[in-house]
Amino acid sequence: AQSVSQHNHHVILSEAASLELGCNYSYGGTVNLFWYVQYPGQHLQLLLKYFSGDPLVKGIKGFEAEFIKSKFSFNLRKPSVQWSDTAEYFCAVNARAGNNRKLIWGLGTSLAVNP
Amino acid sequence: DAMVIQNPRYQVTQFGKPVTLSCSQTLNHNVMYWYQQKSSQAPKLLFHYYDKDFNNEADTPDNFQSRRPNTSFCFLDIRSPGLGDAAMYLCATSPPGKNIQYFGAGTRLSVL
Repeated sequence: AQSVSQHNHHVILSEAASLELGCNYSYGGTVNLFWYVQYPGQHLQLLLKYFSGDPLVKGIKGFEAEFIKSKFSFNLRKPSVQWSDTAEYFCAVNARAGNNRKLIWGLGTSLAVNP
Repeated sequence: DAMVIQNPRYQVTQFGKPVTLSCSQTLNHNVMYWYQQKSSQAPKLLFHYYDKDFNNEADTPDNFQSRRPNTSFCFLDIRSPGLGDAAMYLCATSPPGKNIQYFGAGTRLSVL
């Protein structure tokens, strides 16, 4: 069965620190990959996505992620975090097979950035 | 402008009293989803519609039902809410051919 694994459940950083959140998935075929962010009290928002092409994708607010097919990974990075990045981050995968319309979600990583 | 609108934002119901949550969209997307999200957990898909085609997840309790009278609206009916059904309920939409999901702000359901 397909699954998504996020390595860290809770991350605490100081402002200006660099961030990398791990995401690995299990599926042998072609996938679409997503990172969603949920700020406190707000709805889920798409941070960035990978469908095809350049495996390094840029998202909003200075985030980027790199798809490494050989490692089945799609890690999220930001060189310098801000207090406002405090949020829950979810990695999600859609197996691009047939008419599959469902996302497989990771359990999420809670990021707290101390000012 | 909000594109996926959920009403109400907060809903309080009594144990066993039926409740309906609503979702509307201005995106004209053909796919609509209902998720349940509990605190600090990933969203859990309950069901989704592809146009009028209803797709139930195997582990969605029978207590949860849904209706989609037209493209713009979708409803989640909880026939007999239990304490364990207290959660945030999220509606999402997706355009044809692309599985990017756009989420509403959610309805937080409390069961007393």
